[in-house]
Amino acid sequence: GEDVEQSLFLSVREGDSSVINCTYTDSSSTYLYWYKQEPGAGLQLLTYIFSNMDMKQDQRLTVLLNKKDKHLSLRIADTQTGDSAIYFCAEMRGRRALTFGSGTRLQVQP
Amino acid sequence: SQTIHQWPATLVQPVGSPLSLECTVEGTSNPNLYWYRQAAGRGLQLLFYSVGIGQISSEVPQNLSASRPQDRQFILSSKKLLLSDSGFYLCAWGPAYEQYFGPGTRLTVT
Repeated sequence: GEDVEQSLFLSVREGDSSVINCTYTDSSSTYLYWYKQEPGAGLQLLTYIFSNMDMKQDQRLTVLLNKKDKHLSLRIADTQTGDSAIYFCAEMRGRRALTFGSGTRLQVQP
Repeated sequence: SQTIHQWPATLVQPVGSPLSLECTVEGTSNPNLYWYRQAAGRGLQLLFYSVGIGQISSEVPQNLSASRPQDRQFILSSKKLLLSDSGFYLCAWGPAYEQYFGPGTRLTVT
């Protein structure tokens, strides 16, 4: 199975909060990442968290890390239509290359 | 500021033809460089990474190869394309624990 798993789809209403979840299997992961991909575009690094942290907040984005359960989440406050995209969770292990999940498609309804 | 370029943006090639995709980075020196492939509706798969000129690590056995002739130039090549080589090819660069992606090249092998 996948080393990094995400649900495929999330639909929210504009103005609500979105929570995108991710689980990973490798306890030696050093950094965990969230990327955003809009249609036909490359990946945009949104934020990342070091594995010894529990939480990181950056404007509307909050990342929560539960190392015990190997669970990572991305919360987007006040979700806007421009937030509609595919969100990828990724982990970095020793070799400094990333292992990605399959992505969660976020649909924001007006 | 740093910028990453990829070209071409799209490419349609027949089976058995050669391939050369180019990636260049501006505004930094001695970056780590990466090639990823994204199949339709999937996450990203690491193909190659490089920590310096002439230093290439291959992650997946395939008919692709990579070269780094200059510090900020990374080239992905194939002598003979297969149908299964179709996908979205993304180059990334990173100083250490961050990775920033280029706009990608969409390759269709017919």
